[in-house]
Parts: sequence; C-alpha cells; structure tokens
Amino acid sequence: DAGITQSPRHKVTETGTPVTLRCHQTENHRYMYWYRQDPGHGLRLIHYSYGVKDTDKGEVSDGYSVSRSKTEDFLLTLESATSSQTSVYFCAISERSDYNEQFFGPGTRLTVL
Amino acid sequence: AQSVTQLDSHVSVSEGTPVLLRCNYSSSYSPSLFWYVQHPNKGLQLLLKYTSAATLVKGINGFEAEFKKSETSFHLTKPSAHMSDAAEYFCVVIPVGTDKLIFGTGTRLQVFP
Repeated sequence: DAGITQSPRHKVTETGTPVTLRCHQTENHRYMYWYRQDPGHGLRLIHYSYGVKDTDKGEVSDGYSVSRSKTEDFLLTLESATSSQTSVYFCAISERSDYNEQFFGPGTRLTVL
Repeated sequence: AQSVTQLDSHVSVSEGTPVLLRCNYSSSYSPSLFWYVQHPNKGLQLLLKYTSAATLVKGINGFEAEFKKSETSFHLTKPSAHMSDAAEYFCVVIPVGTDKLIFGTGTRLQVFP
C-alpha cells in the first residue's frame, strides 16, 4: 500500500466550528488531492496541489481551503463547518506519471451537527 | 464536459457466476480510463487502467476491461465472482489534456453464496 495516512479518521463537530484534516505521505509524490465522497456522487475533487505552496481549486472548492508547506503534508480546512460538509474525505497522491494513477488514503469520516 | 456514466447502481450475482459492470464515457478523444474498487470502510484501490496501449486490459483479482471506441464503453468483467469481490466499483476518466480524475457514481456489487 502507498504510504498515505489521514488524520483524524473520524470526527464529529458542530456547525460553525473550524476543522482541519491532515493528509501525510511518505512516497515523495509531487501531486496531492482532496476529494469528498457522497452517496450518488462518486468522488468529487475539492482542491489539489502540484507542489509545495502550489494549489488549485477543484470541482467543489467553496467553503474549503488548503495548504501545503511541505511535500509530505496537505491540509484541508473547513473555516466554518456546515451540515452540507458532512461527508467522507479522501486524500490521494500521484507521481505525475503519464498514466496519472492516483493512490488513495483510508479516508476521514466527518459529521457536522 | 467529459464524463463517465455507470449504467447500474447495484449489481447482484451468485458466487461463481460472471460479473459485468458497465461504464460509458463521453469524450471527443481517447481518454485515460480506470476502474477503482472500494471495499467497505476502505480507501480506493486501482483495479486496472487503459491508456491506449491495448484495448483489452487485465487487472488484479481476475478482472479485465475492454475499451470499445465505437461504443464509447469500458465495461468491467470477471468470469467467476468470489465473495471477496463484494464492494463498490468506480469507473474513472481522465480527460485528454488534464490530470483530473472524473468519477462515475459507482456500482455496488453484491455476491451471494
């Protein structure tokens, strides 16, 4: 398995509170991604990073921010959590090969009450 | 916009019988196509990938998929289902010129003894 960990694995929080999810990789891959998974939607890209301090928005970026100060860490922040952000969040990494294969972390289940 | 459509949200088969999970893509050009599998409470794992080298692609655990440009399809098959194949399967496209994955909505495979 690719060396990807996510923390926390489960979190329950209240509406309006800030939340930060962490993705940590040991593969030294350049690209990192944050997705959310919701029933009936598959996975949707929130933000991604193509290098330290280089990030860009994905399909569903509203209400989320990211930061990448080191190659191995990619943080996803919900500045003020809402119930619509209740979801399972997955981090992924890729080496930017020709095939763009991505390796996924185990996921974080976030519940916003 | 390029996308994938998974034609069945649920598929049920008996152990030992063939599996067919259907996926159609929309693209003006031949994209990169993938199948990922997600077992309960786990992250996603790559099953196989098509990148124009060969139209019949073999993956892990006995799965294979055939790229048919004339039908814009990339169906996943396995000759004989095993109980451990029960999971959710995602068809994924990477549109030409991008490095972003576009996920289908998933097909849940149930395998009965």
